[in-house]
Amino acid sequence: GAVVSQHPSRVICKSGTSVKIECRSLDFQATTMFWYRQFPKQSLMLMATSNEGSKATYEQGVEKDKFLINHASLTLSTLTVTSAHPEDSSFYICSARASEDRTYEQYFGPGTRLTVT
Amino acid sequence: SQELEQSPQSLIVQEGKNLTINCTSSKTLYGLYWYKQKYGEGLIFLMMLQKGGEEKSHEKITAKLDEKKQQSSLHITASQPSHAGIYLCGADMNYGKLTFGQGTILTVHP
Repeated sequence: GAVVSQHPSRVICKSGTSVKIECRSLDFQATTMFWYRQFPKQSLMLMATSNEGSKATYEQGVEKDKFLINHASLTLSTLTVTSAHPEDSSFYICSARASEDRTYEQYFGPGTRLTVT
Repeated sequence: SQELEQSPQSLIVQEGKNLTINCTSSKTLYGLYWYKQKYGEGLIFLMMLQKGGEEKSHEKITAKLDEKKQQSSLHITASQPSHAGIYLCGADMNYGKLTFGQGTILTVHP
């Protein structure tokens, strides 16, 4: 149980275009989802938290107009990188939790590697 | 300095040896997660600890959270090549938002 999927696993896009990444909880309902990014050989940095049906809350320094997050259902959250630039190239990972209650475990997806050329 | 420090940064052991990875926080933790990651892949959930003094085991991996909830250790008994990877501790310091350590790269030689 507790499987989280991401799609696509890899994407290459041209500078200036937008890219959408999906995060799905496959066998549980995810009230809360988190989006992280990870640069090579570095640890994960939280970008934003989204609760189903609410607007996402972004961490300091993360541009909400550039990284659009939509948590429209209990099993799906999307991250759209708008007007992507090479510096947005990174590994994006989502995690999902079955409740807003922080005592519940967070399960991570396999990640999406974004390359902006 | 980092809020969450992992040590060692890398570890090379011979198959069959025991090993320990530590995770130390400058603040009291609400919860502490351990994950395993292979480079370029997602995180595999290992264990979550919430209570001071709590200890959990799964197969050959044991994790403990100290009484003060500021330090955790991950212990692997009789390591195998399949244990190789990057071990990350993640601390819940802020309403479920996880702050991660820098990771420990484990190599197990057959």
